[in-house]
Amino acid sequence: AQSVTQPDIHITVSEGASLELRCNYSYGATPYLFWYVQSPGQGLQLLLKYFSGDTLVQGIKGFEAEFKRSQSSFNLRKPSVHWSDAAEYFCASAGYSTLTFGKGTMLLVSP
Amino acid sequence: DAEITQSPRHKITETGRQVTLACHQTWNHNNMFWYRQDLGHGLRLIHYSYGVQDTNKGEVSDGYSVSRSNTEDLPLTLESAASSQTSVYFCASSESRSNSPLHFGNGTRLTVT
Repeated sequence: AQSVTQPDIHITVSEGASLELRCNYSYGATPYLFWYVQSPGQGLQLLLKYFSGDTLVQGIKGFEAEFKRSQSSFNLRKPSVHWSDAAEYFCASAGYSTLTFGKGTMLLVSP
Repeated sequence: DAEITQSPRHKITETGRQVTLACHQTWNHNNMFWYRQDLGHGLRLIHYSYGVQDTNKGEVSDGYSVSRSNTEDLPLTLESAASSQTSVYFCASSESRSNSPLHFGNGTRLTVT
């Protein structure tokens, strides 16, 4: 069965600093990989997705993620965090059937 | 614009009552999903449907049921609400199976007292 691990429950980053959120997946073949963001009281919004091809994918709001097969990872990055990026971030993978989500990483942005 | 709407946004009910949460999407998507979100567990799949008259159990389906009589709606029913079902419920839809992103509703916060 596939699984997704987000090792960090909370991360605090200073505004303007760079960000990296970690995600590891477990799946026999190359899965489809996604990052979603959830603001308080809202549903999840897709940031970016990886299916195949270039391992560095660009998303909305200045986010990018890099797929590394050797590490079974799909880490999310942003070069300069803004206060409005404070939210919960979910990594997800899809094999043959439905999506499996990680448990999320809460991003806090300090002034 | 196409959207996915959940109602009600908040619901308080008593243990043992039957509760139905509504989900309506105007994306014309075949696939629809129900998740629950709880602290420490992330999102867990309850039920899903790949089209009219199709329903499937997810990871945490016990105590829940769904029916799909048309493309737009996938109501979630709690047959006999339990306190363990206090949660935030999200409905989502997508175009096809694995490789299409999900579009989420804004959630229903359910409290079972």
